[in-house]
Amino acid sequence: GIQVEQSPPDLILQEGANSTLRCNFSDSVNNLQWFHQNPWGQLINLFYIPSGTKQNGRLSATTVATERYSLLYISSSQTTDSGVYFCAAVRSYGQNFVFGPGTRLSVLP
Amino acid sequence: DTAVSQTPKYLVTQMGNDKSIKCEQNLGHDTMYWYKQDSKKFLKIMFSYNNKELIINETVPNRFSPKSPDKAHLNLHINSLELGDSAVYFCASSHPERGYEQYFGPGTRLTVT
Repeated sequence: GIQVEQSPPDLILQEGANSTLRCNFSDSVNNLQWFHQNPWGQLINLFYIPSGTKQNGRLSATTVATERYSLLYISSSQTTDSGVYFCAAVRSYGQNFVFGPGTRLSVLP
Repeated sequence: DTAVSQTPKYLVTQMGNDKSIKCEQNLGHDTMYWYKQDSKKFLKIMFSYNNKELIINETVPNRFSPKSPDKAHLNLHINSLELGDSAVYFCASSHPERGYEQYFGPGTRLTVT
């Protein structure tokens, strides 16, 4: 099955800083998503982005499907951005969604 | 309105007991899933149902049995609970017209003592 890796595993930022999180996947995908798991454990959809670029406020994501990676950009980080960021990918319907191990982000005031 | 809901939110029980977790979605999706998140935060799919039919059954002990009475509900029943079953269990749903974009419930934290 598909392998999903994320980097860095941990990231500590001061409030206001920018960051880039990376997701690499081992094969072509027809679905890739980014999630934020907040400190209360809730999994929040950030982006559904099998290819291209999307923006939502201070967050944006880019997936380069041909090179098998996706990037999540967080600008002007806030303490509420703290938590774990996951990417998840699937090759095709009927196969497993595979989650990466996550990037744990801590934004300090 | 809650899109994907799970009950209970917390479940504490003793080894050997049988318990169920319920999941309901009001998004009109026809595919539902159960995921397990362990203590290291790794998320792994357990089951996937499409229109009440099982389509993915990962390597999960047969003590775990999903039941889908209709396409809006997917329940998880666990027999003879073990300490290693302690985890957070997430239900999710998706629809093919949305590229199977996953929408997650709030999770059920199961603690087996």
